[in-house]
Amino acid sequence: EAQVTQNPRYLITVTGKKLTVTCSQNMNHEYMSWYRQDPGLGLRQIYYSMNVEVTDKGDVPEGYKVSRKEKRNFPLILESPSPNQTSLYFCATSGEGDNYGYTFGSGTRLTVV
Amino acid sequence: GQSLEQPSEVTAVEGAIVQINCTYQTSGFYGLSWYQQHDGGAPTFLSYNALDGLEETGRFSSFLSRSDSYGYLLLQELQMKDSASYFCAVRDGWNRDDKIIFGKGTRLHILP
Repeated sequence: EAQVTQNPRYLITVTGKKLTVTCSQNMNHEYMSWYRQDPGLGLRQIYYSMNVEVTDKGDVPEGYKVSRKEKRNFPLILESPSPNQTSLYFCATSGEGDNYGYTFGSGTRLTVV
Repeated sequence: GQSLEQPSEVTAVEGAIVQINCTYQTSGFYGLSWYQQHDGGAPTFLSYNALDGLEETGRFSSFLSRSDSYGYLLLQELQMKDSASYFCAVRDGWNRDDKIIFGKGTRLHILP
């Protein structure tokens, strides 16, 4: 079954404590992306990757890092989380099929206190 | 700048038809997509229009007019399970790998 797996689903952490949200896809897609979703602001892109070792900033990259060492994985790293990074995060992938529409992971609800 | 405009909320009655509009302003265009998101869930892909006209998929249809930079999602025979948020999305460029921009979403309320 084609899927995008995100972990964890829920995370509460403290300011400044580094964390990683993992994302893995089994569709062999080249394109992967991270979004955050906040009330009234919709989905905003954080980073995206068009292939292994190729990453680029989206609209709201400050405070985040990503890496793409292999095709299937695209982790999101918060080196020093702050309360304004409390949000709902989605990983997404895009490839042939569905006219290159996105398949989203199930989301990670992050709370930084 | 880039923008997608859609109503924030729409209310309709079970069994009726509802239309959710989307207007866009982007530097390029590679198709208009629609996504559905239930509370607590992830967005799921519904439809895609690259060319002008109507695309039908069961109870859902999507329309595009590139000359008007406008599209809509039409939901027929509404069911309670259709209560969700609906997002329109456009690739801001001319290539399939260009960034997808999402509208802020339309919350659809369905009354019994």
